[in-house]
Amino acid sequence: GAGVSQSPSNKVTEKGKDVELRCDPISGHTALYWYRQSLGQGLEFLIYFQGNSAPDKSGLPSDRFSAERTGGSVSTLTIQRTQQEDSAVYLCASGGGYNEQFFGPGTRLTVL
Amino acid sequence: KNQVEQSPQSLIILEGKNCTLQCNYTVSPFSNLRWYKQDTGRGPVSLTIMTFSENTKSNGRYTATLDADTKQSSLHITASQLSDSASYICVVPLSGTYKYIFGTGTRLKVLA
Repeated sequence: GAGVSQSPSNKVTEKGKDVELRCDPISGHTALYWYRQSLGQGLEFLIYFQGNSAPDKSGLPSDRFSAERTGGSVSTLTIQRTQQEDSAVYLCASGGGYNEQFFGPGTRLTVL
Repeated sequence: KNQVEQSPQSLIILEGKNCTLQCNYTVSPFSNLRWYKQDTGRGPVSLTIMTFSENTKSNGRYTATLDADTKQSSLHITASQLSDSASYICVVPLSGTYKYIFGTGTRLKVLA
């Protein structure tokens, strides 16, 4: 595809359930980021993948959050035992040249 | 502390009018600053990038300025259109890292 895609676009879940968010980066981009965007807040860094290197997980807010990237392409962000404070838009971005990031449309997560 | 602050937080203008959005940063060392436009329900899209040596750059009706001495940037929108309604986010990379500092954005609403 021409850009970064994410699925689902919207996810409503009940507190305590697990959710899985998917990101398809631009083909050939080795860098991939996950961010969380809450209302009125700047984008919050969650995790960074670069090629086959170990990911930087320093932004993950708790051990309920995990992410993987298979084959250096598709990435999934998993949130276990969701809490209401996890409600936010989760954005994925893949890296290009000169520090430009190309963002997907995001997944809006609502935890009831 | 590395920070990016934007003002105003929100802005409402009439179609056809001009407006200027502000971004102040304390990120050091500084290499570049990027302005993104984020439409509702979409991911951010890059409008322009300002490097250390650039003072002004235009992209259609958008003109960005940079004053590296005062660590300020502005985004001027000329002859606003309804489609300019969006959030505008200022982003500065942390030099030597793959991380970025995001402003909280300015939400612009253009009314007919």
